Amino acid sequence: DAGITQSPRHKVTETGTPVTLRCHQTENHRYMYWYRQDPGHGLRLIHYSYGVKDTDKGEVSDGYSVSRSKTEDFLLTLESATSSQTSVYFCAIRRTESGNTIYFGEGSWLTVV
Amino acid sequence: DAKTTQPNSMESNEEEPVHLPCNHSTISGTDYIHWYRQLPSQGPEYVIHGLTSNVNNRMASLAIAEDRKSSTLILHRATLRDAAVYYCILRWSGGGADGLTFGKGTHLIIQP
Repeated sequence: DAGITQSPRHKVTETGTPVTLRCHQTENHRYMYWYRQDPGHGLRLIHYSYGVKDTDKGEVSDGYSVSRSKTEDFLLTLESATSSQTSVYFCAIRRTESGNTIYFGEGSWLTVV
Repeated sequence: DAKTTQPNSMESNEEEPVHLPCNHSTISGTDYIHWYRQLPSQGPEYVIHGLTSNVNNRMASLAIAEDRKSSTLILHRATLRDAAVYYCILRWSGGGADGLTFGKGTHLIIQP
């Protein structure tokens, strides 16, 4: 257990509405990540953070923004959700003290209708 | 991250050992070999990692070839709960800020 909580775990939303997914960690790790996973594409990195207010884009960042105003929370926002953003979203943290191993949350299932 | 090659799927029987291979011929001297697995409807789970020497933990063993161009994840006694997709990933020792790059992995099927 890496102390990661994702919320909401499941959400159905309409096209064009904003959606925010929250990742909360309790262990004060510097590095946090958002991935999405779709059939046929596997896990793909959306955005990552290397500290408070320090974020960068991953492989599939278009249509997503992130914010990290405090160490424990990393927010992923879909400004205007589209059906192509229907996916499972995983948050992760990196434990630098254990060989840079990465630990994932349980996932957030998002359906955009 | 350097590329790895894994079989798409493997099948084994419950209570037997499982050897999952991974080829990484372009590995650099500073690349760590990481293994993760993903059970159905769950997030990926760290299994084990190593650099040069074989490694053991409560979940599995990692055997690394002497030239480091291949490695094998060993599950000593498979259970039905070990049915998952297993990912072999190379990660340089410096870490960097960016995350792991996942390939398609090996889908391990365990027969009762």
